Amino acid sequence: NAGVTQTPKFQVLKTGQSMTLQCAQDMNHEYMSWYRQDPGMGLRLIHYSVGAGITDQGEVPNGYNVSRSTTEDFPLRLLSAAPSQTSVYFCASSGTYNEQFFGPGTRLTVL
Amino acid sequence: KQEVTQIPAALSVPEGENLVLNCSFTDSAIYNLQWFRQDPGKGLTSLLLIQSSQREQTSGRLNASLDKSSGRSTLYIAASQPGDSATYLCAVAVSNDYKLSFGAGTTVTVRA
Repeated sequence: NAGVTQTPKFQVLKTGQSMTLQCAQDMNHEYMSWYRQDPGMGLRLIHYSVGAGITDQGEVPNGYNVSRSTTEDFPLRLLSAAPSQTSVYFCASSGTYNEQFFGPGTRLTVL
Repeated sequence: KQEVTQIPAALSVPEGENLVLNCSFTDSAIYNLQWFRQDPGKGLTSLLLIQSSQREQTSGRLNASLDKSSGRSTLYIAASQPGDSATYLCAVAVSNDYKLSFGAGTTVTVRA
């Protein structure tokens, strides 16, 4: 079991560029989510999905898009990157009793 | 909105001392509470999950208690070791909708 995997590990973008952060899990979890972590602010929920074809917004969804075509994958798209989106992004999936498992993170810098 | 607070923000103890980490939350109607460990530059590792019907959970040297009525959870780490140095995060789910509210974490340093 690889658990939750994320790619890339690091990314540098210029303002206005778009990109997709990849997330995959091999635990057959229905629930997946994306968080961002900023210094002193804890983790904040961006988007989540309760199953293939179903997504919803979290606390800070602006500037991000998601889709869920399969149980395994939950990509996060940055439409037009801004410096305020410089952060560490974590993907998580949830199984029994809502215990959540996190990926290793993607460190994104927007110049 | 659920607010989760962890105090202190940082803690330094000598090796062998017991660690006590605190987490408080504003809405006592929680579904569960989860403690995580995060090493620098790494992801979050789940340590303990306490369901709302439980009072505590134990795993090895770790013990977490939950008091919903007072809006508090405490993570105890017995006989601390330098390898316990990390940031510990508390997260609360307010319902079975899988959304977590996180505290900002307590950064622990265990001195050899």
